[in-house]
Amino acid sequence: QSALTQPASVSGSPGQSITISCTGTRNDVGRYDYVSWYQQHPGKVPKLLIFDVSKWPSGASYRFSGSKSGYTASLTISGLQTDDEADYYCSSYTGDGTTIFGGGTKLTVL
Amino acid sequence: QVQLVQSGAEVKKPGASVRIFCKASGYTFTSYYVHWVRRAPGQGLEWVGIINPNGGRTSYAQKFQARVTMTRDTSTSTVYMDLSSLTSEDTAVYYCARDPLGASELDYWGQGTLVTVSS
Repeated sequence: QSALTQPASVSGSPGQSITISCTGTRNDVGRYDYVSWYQQHPGKVPKLLIFDVSKWPSGASYRFSGSKSGYTASLTISGLQTDDEADYYCSSYTGDGTTIFGGGTKLTVL
Repeated sequence: QVQLVQSGAEVKKPGASVRIFCKASGYTFTSYYVHWVRRAPGQGLEWVGIINPNGGRTSYAQKFQARVTMTRDTSTSTVYMDLSSLTSEDTAVYYCARDPLGASELDYWGQGTLVTVSS
């Protein structure tokens, strides 16, 4: 099964908002409301930002928000900060206990 | 506090097998699924598989189906991943992560285990 499709890179300036898309199929993003988003800084462990499309885990920043329409989920980061510069991944449940990740998006804060 | 502590780095030759463990603490071990995810150099996150510590049921990514085995020991709250027939393409950092429902919500992650496959 191919990875979910994410843009390879996005960029923005401090204070701006950006959106990262995550496109799947009718068998994953389109079927289940079990989409999550993760942030990974270089050399660090991935961190859960959003789960179940738009829910925040305990302690998460509300500057990160999620949504979904059809086969595409989106992560929006508002009020960009320099520390937001990292790799971002989406994941989706695909049924029968399996999960799939997106290819990842590198965010550059200019 | 929730902790997932993984075993140390491994160096293996092509064709060999590797076993990595992930020891959980700070929560009820059997109440959370455990995923294994890897990140190869220059690549993104890749899902390897999942185990339900309550009963031991597993699901694996098709790519690894033939050569991965995940097991658990409830007496020590430890999950194991065995990966066989290693090639250089298996060189990666392997992470374990827990999930309350097994539905792609990986909320706590281990520190990662570097597996290097080299002749």
